[in-house]
This record gives sequence, C-alpha cells and structure tokens, in this order.
Amino acid sequence: AQSVSQHNHHVILSEAASLELGCNYSYGGTVNLFWYVQYPGQHLQLLLKYFSGDPLVKGIKGFEAEFIKSKFSFNLRKPSVQWSDTAEYFCAVTTGGYNKLIFGAGTRLAVHP
Amino acid sequence: NAGVTQTPKFRILKIGQSMTLQCTQDMNHNYMYWYRQDPGMGLKLIYYSVGAGITDKGEVPNGYNVSRSTTEDFPLRLELAAPSQTSVYFCASSGQGAQGDTQYFGPGTRLTVL
Repeated sequence: AQSVSQHNHHVILSEAASLELGCNYSYGGTVNLFWYVQYPGQHLQLLLKYFSGDPLVKGIKGFEAEFIKSKFSFNLRKPSVQWSDTAEYFCAVTTGGYNKLIFGAGTRLAVHP
Repeated sequence: NAGVTQTPKFRILKIGQSMTLQCTQDMNHNYMYWYRQDPGMGLKLIYYSVGAGITDKGEVPNGYNVSRSTTEDFPLRLELAAPSQTSVYFCASSGQGAQGDTQYFGPGTRLTVL
C-alpha cells in the first residue's frame, strides 16, 4: 500500500529562520503531490501541488516544494518564516483513481517571534 | 460560495448512541470524501462518492455508513458509537476527481465518544 512519511513531527523555529519539511512517498508510478496547511482553529487548505511539469512548485505565502522523483521526495521550503506560519503541515499523495488522498502524519510548526 | 460546510462543530456521544454528521458543498462538485484525523496520525479516508447514488469504502470504513442522494450532500452515519471513533471528521469535495484536482475541506466536526 502507498504511504507518505513526514520526517519531523514537531519543528520549532524563530522568525526569519529558513524552513524545510521533509516528505517521502512509497509509490513508484505516476503521482500527484500536495502540501496542505491547517492553521490553528481553521480547516485544511491547499498550500501547493505538483502533478506534472516543472518539479519546483511555488505556492501561496512564499512556500515552495521540489519534486525529486529519484528520491521519492517532495520537501516543502520557505526561506524566511513568520509567526503567522505557525500551523500543522500535511504532505499528501494521490496515485490511483478517484483522487483519493493519502496523508502523512503531519508536522506541527511553531514559530516564535 | 460557502464552500464545504459541516454540522455539528462539536458533539459528545455515549457508547452505543448513533448520529449523523452532515456535509454540504455548493460548488457542484461530483466527488466528495470523508476523512478522520487522529492525533499524530494524519487523515485517513473513510468513504468517498463519485456522484449522486455512488459511494465506496476508503481505508477505514468500519463502523460508518454513507449515502449520497444529491450532488450537494454527503452525510456520514455512525450507528453504534465506540470510543475508537473519537476523532475529528473532515468532509472534502473536488470537481471531477481527476488526478491533481484540489480537494476543498470543511471546518471539521470534533466528536468525542464516552
């Protein structure tokens, strides 16, 4: 069965620090990859997604992710985090029909002023 | 557009009780999904639907039932609540279910079974 692994469960950073959250998936075929974010008290919203083309994907709020097929990875990056980036981040993948998402366990990011 | 709405926001059930979690979307999406989110576990798919009258099981369907009589509504039914069903439940929808379609999520229902 396909699976998604997120390496860090909790990350604590100071404002202006750089961020990289790891994500690896287990499927060897064609995949579509997503990063969703859940701000405190809010529902999940899409940060960015990859389904074809340029493996470097830019999303909202200055986030980007790079799809590296040879490493089965889709790491999320942001050069300088802000306190408002405090949230839980989920990596997800769809592989088969019906666009069913398989989620990683999530990474809780806390950014201190 | 309101997007995806869910009711109730919170609910406490006793073991053995039943309830229905409501989900409605106003985007005319064909595909709808129910996920549960447990602490430290990410979201897991319970059931999904590809259109009115068509539903199928996801990864963790036991203890739940769904129906899809209209495009807009996709209720999730718990028949005999158990403590293992304590979780946060999210409903989502997407346009055509094509790979790469964005899923839009509702605000969630936090359910506690005591």
